[in-house]
Amino acid sequence: QVQLQESGPGLVKPSETLSLTCTVSDVSVTSGSFYWSWIRQPPGKGLEWIGDISYTASTNYNPSLKSRVSISVDTSKNQFSLKLSSVTAADTAVYYCARLFYYYYYMDVWGKGTTVTVSS
Amino acid sequence: EIVLTQSPGTLSLSPGERATLSCRASQSVSSRYLTWYQQKPGQAPRLLIYGASSRATGIPDRFSGSGSGTEFTLTISRLEPEDFAVYYCQQYGTSPTFGPGTKVDIK
Repeated sequence: QVQLQESGPGLVKPSETLSLTCTVSDVSVTSGSFYWSWIRQPPGKGLEWIGDISYTASTNYNPSLKSRVSISVDTSKNQFSLKLSSVTAADTAVYYCARLFYYYYYMDVWGKGTTVTVSS
Repeated sequence: EIVLTQSPGTLSLSPGERATLSCRASQSVSSRYLTWYQQKPGQAPRLLIYGASSRATGIPDRFSGSGSGTEFTLTISRLEPEDFAVYYCQQYGTSPTFGPGTKVDIK
């Protein structure tokens, strides 16, 4: 059964860079039909797409975050990663990684999510 | 950016009742790219409907999706206790966006 697991620091200081990794199990990140996504959810609010990446490292980013976001893929570790720079309190959220079926653009497998708090 | 509006914000119903949730887009969306998710407290979203009307694997047939263009609907024919949750629509045009969600709670 395909599983995704987010990992990374739960606390980041303002102006620093948030770094998260998603480890994928039971499917290869090189599967051609799929992209790999990051989505976040601030406390008590809705979902926000951050960006996605293919196994060839082709990326798409949310225009509102594009200047601060970088997503990369490590095929040797079957992982993909998120970096978000210059964070503020507004970046406090639960961060999810998900598998994206590109043809329909739906996210069918999600990690459980990891809470990241931005605070000094 | 295509903006999605969901209505109502909250739907208060009893088990066994029918739920009709609306998702309206600010511009036309290809039906292929309209998706519905369910989210329960403390859990990740769960894929329900893709391509506007196709049920995801394992989703009961009491869930159905319909619509085209700028107007889409998620219908739950008879609410079960486990269906009380928040439902989000999501589109992919030039950039993916989610609607603000509709909370279905117990009346």
